Formats: sequence, structure tokens, C-alpha cells
Amino acid sequence: SQQGEEDPQALSIQEGENATMNCSYKTSINNLQWYRQNSGRGLVHLILIRSNEREKHSGRLRVTLDTSKKSSSLLITASRAADTASYFCATDPRRSNYQLIWGAGTKLIIKP
Amino acid sequence: GAGVSQSPRYKVAKRGQDVALRCDPISGHVSLFWYQQALGQGPEFLTYFQNEAQLDKSGLPSDRFFAERPEGSVSTLKIQRTQQEDSAVYLCASSLGSEPTYNEQFFGPGTRLTVL
Repeated sequence: SQQGEEDPQALSIQEGENATMNCSYKTSINNLQWYRQNSGRGLVHLILIRSNEREKHSGRLRVTLDTSKKSSSLLITASRAADTASYFCATDPRRSNYQLIWGAGTKLIIKP
Repeated sequence: GAGVSQSPRYKVAKRGQDVALRCDPISGHVSLFWYQQALGQGPEFLTYFQNEAQLDKSGLPSDRFFAERPEGSVSTLKIQRTQQEDSAVYLCASSLGSEPTYNEQFFGPGTRLTVL
């Protein structure tokens, strides 16, 4: 069963614009991770945010976490063609020590 | 340095055949995961190893699925009597520490299994 749900399912924007993706989850978590998947490089870790953090930055990426709403957002600024990929959030529900539960992903297309 | 590798990259099996999928994690990584990913979906957890110990196999869909990591490095996922619903991409991931959900996971390229 999937814990996270990404929104929107698909997003198409012009190069240079910002892209925002959202993730909602169901149960309390220890942390939340964002990954990117494209055909060239497979699944790659982007950023991990802990349940006691509210915001985290990494280069052009900004992640927020609202544990009261059980939601997270990933913002990619100044998008590039190479950002075209599917983006997944993964959470570790506190009931499990080992499992990451993944959403179905947001498919992002950057138009040149 | 080498990343996670998986073999074969593609496997076509006739229904009822047994298959074995191999994963070579990053050297020194304690944790190893297997996931199943259907088209258009996120990965679904199958099983987790900490060194050679299989600590969680709750995601394995049936007793036809079996995984091992006998020496704490290379892992094999075996599927017996394959069925069409087993068709998916099987992903292997490894991470350095023994707190698997607190660490970045490094993924292999996956094995795409097609069962005819």
C-alpha cells in the first residue's frame, strides 16, 4: 500500500519557470525523502527532511514539511530541461523501522 | 566509485519459469533493499537486509518470492513459478548505515522482468 500521494500527477512548464510538487501522507513519520527518477540515471536521492524540520534547501531545491497537515512540498527554481523526470516522496512510518513507503510520483516535463 | 549494479537488466520469462535477479550493492553498505515498481507507480517495498540478516520480508507478495544475502554483500531475489502479474521493474538499493530509513538510499538501474 502506498502512504504518500504526490500532486499533481503531471506537470508541464517552460524552462526557467519554477515547479512545485506536493506530497501528502497518512501516518506519523520520522522523516520524508524526495527522489527523482529518469531513464538516464534511475532513482536518485534529492533531499531528506526530518520530522522536526520545517524547511530545507539544496541548490535549486526547496523542501517544506508540515507535520500538522501531513504534507510536504518540493520547489524547483529556474527549471532546466535536465529536470524532466518523475519525482517521488518517500516516508518512513513510525510503525516500521525498515520500510520506506512511496507515492506514485509527479511526472515533470520541462519544455525548452 | 562503482554504484549499485543489477543483472540482468532485462529478463523475459515464460509463465511458470523460475528467475533469479542479482544485486551488487555499494561496497561497505550495511543495508540492502529490494523494491518492485509497476509502470507509472512508485517503488513498493519487498524486503530489507542488514548485512546478511533479512530483518523485514513483509513486502514479499507470495511465498514464490525469496531473497538472500548470504555473505552480507551480493543479494539475489528469486521468483519461482513466475506469473504474469510478476512483470515489473525490480529495484535494488543500498545504504551505508544500519538505520535504513534515516539514510539516503542508492539505487541500481533495475531489472525489467516480463512474464509471457
